[in-house]
Amino acid sequence: SAVISQKPSRDICQRGTSLTIQCQVDSQVTMMFWYRQQPGQSLTLIATANQGSEATYESGFVIDKFPISRPNLTFSTLTVSNMSPEDSSIYLCSVGTNGNTIYFGEGSWLTVV
Amino acid sequence: GENVEQHPSTLSVQEGDSAVIKCTYSDSASNYFPWYKQELGKRPQLIIDIRSNVGEKKDQRIAVTLNKTAKHFSLHITETQPEDSAVYFCAASMGTGFQKLVFGTGTRLLVSP
Repeated sequence: SAVISQKPSRDICQRGTSLTIQCQVDSQVTMMFWYRQQPGQSLTLIATANQGSEATYESGFVIDKFPISRPNLTFSTLTVSNMSPEDSSIYLCSVGTNGNTIYFGEGSWLTVV
Repeated sequence: GENVEQHPSTLSVQEGDSAVIKCTYSDSASNYFPWYKQELGKRPQLIIDIRSNVGEKKDQRIAVTLNKTAKHFSLHITETQPEDSAVYFCAASMGTGFQKLVFGTGTRLLVSP
């Protein structure tokens, strides 16, 4: 299985500010994904972080709000821009292993005040 | 796009009873169906998964069945224990790729001693 580290694990942010979340994997992976889990809700895919090209965003998510970087095969960042209380969520990085099993990082718990 | 429905939303059982959670999906091209367990304040943990070329898979007290024709899959937990109490999410892959997932809405399982 892959070991996925996310930073920060938790943060309280002021509205209008931006926060960048980091995801580090202990092995090279082709694709990395970012999910959002709003309080008491299920997980929703934000985007696929592609190495060497722009991220692919799902319906309802845009690059200006959630810019993503993927500089190499083991690292990605997700920025939540111009935050509002509605952005209070858990943000989860996930990767697929060679066996095509999907694993999640520990998550980043963001509260916007 | 893919849509996954999950039932029931809550399930209460007595310790030792069996629990069954059911999901249906819409995209006939989906070929990977994982189940995740999420305890309060923690990330989703993969507990079992099944691929479309298999009808049933079992791992100790947990089993998953898949009916491709009907486009539904189920999680079965036997001899439930209080530590099985958590929120369970089913998911289905988007299209033919394994790694992008659409999640069900979750089932809160409560196992009473």
